[in-house]
Amino acid sequence: GQNIDQPTEMTATEGAIVQINCTYQTSGFNGLFWYQQHAGEAPTFLSYNVLDGLEEKGRFSSFLSRSKGYSYLLLKELQMKDSASYLCACLEGGTALIFGKGTTLSVSS
Amino acid sequence: DTAVSQTPKYLVTQMGNDKSIKCEQNLGHDTMYWYKQDSKKFLKIMFSYNNKELIINETVPNRFSPKSPDKAHLNLHINSLELGDSAVYFCASSQGLASGYTFGSGTRLTVV
Repeated sequence: GQNIDQPTEMTATEGAIVQINCTYQTSGFNGLFWYQQHAGEAPTFLSYNVLDGLEEKGRFSSFLSRSKGYSYLLLKELQMKDSASYLCACLEGGTALIFGKGTTLSVSS
Repeated sequence: DTAVSQTPKYLVTQMGNDKSIKCEQNLGHDTMYWYKQDSKKFLKIMFSYNNKELIINETVPNRFSPKSPDKAHLNLHINSLELGDSAVYFCASSQGLASGYTFGSGTRLTVV
């Protein structure tokens, strides 16, 4: 079975930095993904971590610690358009992504 | 040119009806999926097909039947629709791991 936990909601202001945490317990772990989903739209791929450490992509970075079952998504220089749901997902056994319930981020000016 | 396209985008139907949702991907991916997103935004895997073969079938009522005529298409047929089937259904495809899944724009199903 699998259990993926992330905060339900977070708020932040434009220009700030926010970190969205995700803890997981899965069997046959094959990687951790972060997706962004704006209201009424499809999820879009942000990052993939399979080894421990930090992956940086522009304003977004993702970190993984496999021994701790922990990941975070770091968003820098927040913009209003970053208001969205952020979904943490684990790949189990190379078969399918199992998603957490998502974190709704609200960015205010 | 849409990578993963689903039709219809919206579907409103009465309880007890049978309906189908179609999905096509032009990415050349081998694996396709159906996910259900409920009112609380929880995205849950339903089915996965690899090269037309069913590889994942989660605990889904057998009123739901996926069909993959070729590796570019994965359709979802739902019999005897119930109120609880109301949700957004997303099709997705993938090839390898590092690039993640590509999702369609979703089909919002409302059962009345």
